[in-house]
Amino acid sequence: EVQLAESGGALVQPGGSLRLSCAASGFTFSTYEMNWVRQAPGKGLEWVSYISSSGSVKYYADSVKGRFTISRDNAKNSLYLQMNSLRAEDTAVYYCAREVGALFQHWGQGTLATVSS
Amino acid sequence: DIQMTQSPSSLSASVGDRVTITCRASQSISSYLNWYQQKPGKAPKLLIYAASRLQSGVPSRFSGSGSGTDFTLTISSLQPEDFASYYCQQSYSTPPTFGQGTRLEIK
Repeated sequence: EVQLAESGGALVQPGGSLRLSCAASGFTFSTYEMNWVRQAPGKGLEWVSYISSSGSVKYYADSVKGRFTISRDNAKNSLYLQMNSLRAEDTAVYYCAREVGALFQHWGQGTLATVSS
Repeated sequence: DIQMTQSPSSLSASVGDRVTITCRASQSISSYLNWYQQKPGKAPKLLIYAASRLQSGVPSRFSGSGSGTDFTLTISSLQPEDFASYYCQQSYSTPPTFGQGTRLEIK
């Protein structure tokens, strides 16, 4: 069974940093492209970032470009999102999602990052 | 970026009703359109991909249609577990973009 488990969400002050993790199991992680998608409280879904199976190709939403960095460790079956220079508008539940052909086939349960003073 | 617009934003219906949600893309996306269901406090779940293909395990009362810019999600006979939010998403180009969502509520 495919399982994705996010962690690392917390309360952080504006300008601060946070590192989210996503532990994958139940499939061959190294062969799948992965994404981060977020959802602000009471709002819709917003794609954040993509990483290829090898980690060599990365894409970012304009709203996070230059502040967030996606990475993966295929030996540890893990996906990461390093978030710097955080803003109040980054407050959201962050989901990791396994991609197949640019659609999000499986999602984790999400982790909440709150940016507030 | 391709803008996705869903209508309605919210909808009240009864168990057994037939319901249709529409999604419009700001440019042609062929059939690169996916639908997700999200229940409160839960992660989204893929329902339909490539506009009309049912994801494994999804009940056959769900169906999708359309191509180009106009798409629909239809639930043929609403069940109590179908009351949720629904999102369309285009997978035609990067960045992938979602509609704003449709909240389906019990009448």
